[in-house]
Amino acid sequence: QSVLTQPPSVSGAPGQRVTISCTGSSSNIGAGFDVHWYQQLPKTAPKLLIYGNSNRPSGVPDRFSASKSGTSASLAITGLQAEDEADYYCQSYDSSLSGPWVFGGGTKLTVL
Amino acid sequence: ELQVLESGGGLVQPGGSLRLSCAASGFTFSSYAMSWVRQAPGKGLEWVSSISASGGSTYYADSVKGRYTISRDNSKNTLYLQMNSLTAADTAVYYCAKGFDYGAPGFDSWGQGTLVTVSS
Repeated sequence: QSVLTQPPSVSGAPGQRVTISCTGSSSNIGAGFDVHWYQQLPKTAPKLLIYGNSNRPSGVPDRFSASKSGTSASLAITGLQAEDEADYYCQSYDSSLSGPWVFGGGTKLTVL
Repeated sequence: ELQVLESGGGLVQPGGSLRLSCAASGFTFSSYAMSWVRQAPGKGLEWVSSISASGGSTYYADSVKGRYTISRDNSKNTLYLQMNSLTAADTAVYYCAKGFDYGAPGFDSWGQGTLVTVSS
C-alpha cells in the first residue's frame, strides 16, 4: 500500500489529453511538501518529468504539466503521442514517517 | 555531462551480503544528497535510503533498516550501499539517484540501475 495513491492505469488516443492523479494526506502533500513526477519508459530507468509541483526540467515538452491542490496533485499530458506510453510515478515527502521519501504506486499510461 | 553509474549487483544467496557502488561524474558530488531507490520485478518504485551531502545524516526505509548501510566517499565521488542479511524480498533493480539542486527531497538524475537477485 503506497502512501501516495495513483490510479493503476489510464489510457487515451493519440492527440487526446489524459490526467493522472496523486492523492496524499495532511502529512505529505497537504503539509506543503513538493510533489515530483517521474516517467519510466519500458525497460529504462526513471526520468524526472516534473519537479516542485509544476516545473518542467529542460528538455521536457510543454505537453506535460502538473499541479497541486490541498492533499492531491495531478499530471496532465496533452496531445498524447505513442512515445508517451510509460509508467508515471508521483513522489513527495512525508513528515510522519521515519522513512519519509514516498512514491505513488505508479500509473501505466497506454496510448490506444 | 552529469552521470551516475551503478555497479555491484548480482546473484546472492539468502542471508548473504552485497555492496553496491555508484560512481558520479559531471557535477559537484559533495554538494548533493544522494539516494538509493529500488524496483522489484514488475513492481513500482520504492525509496530505500538517502544520505546528506556531507554524509553526516542517513535515512532508511523501515524494510531495510538495520540491514543496509548507506555511505559515501566524497573524495572518490562514489556512493555505496552495503546490504546484509538479504532475502528474496530484496530482489530488485537498485537505482542511484541525485538530489535536487534546490534542496527539496527528491531525485533529479538517475542511473541505469543494477540488478540484485537473492536466490538459492
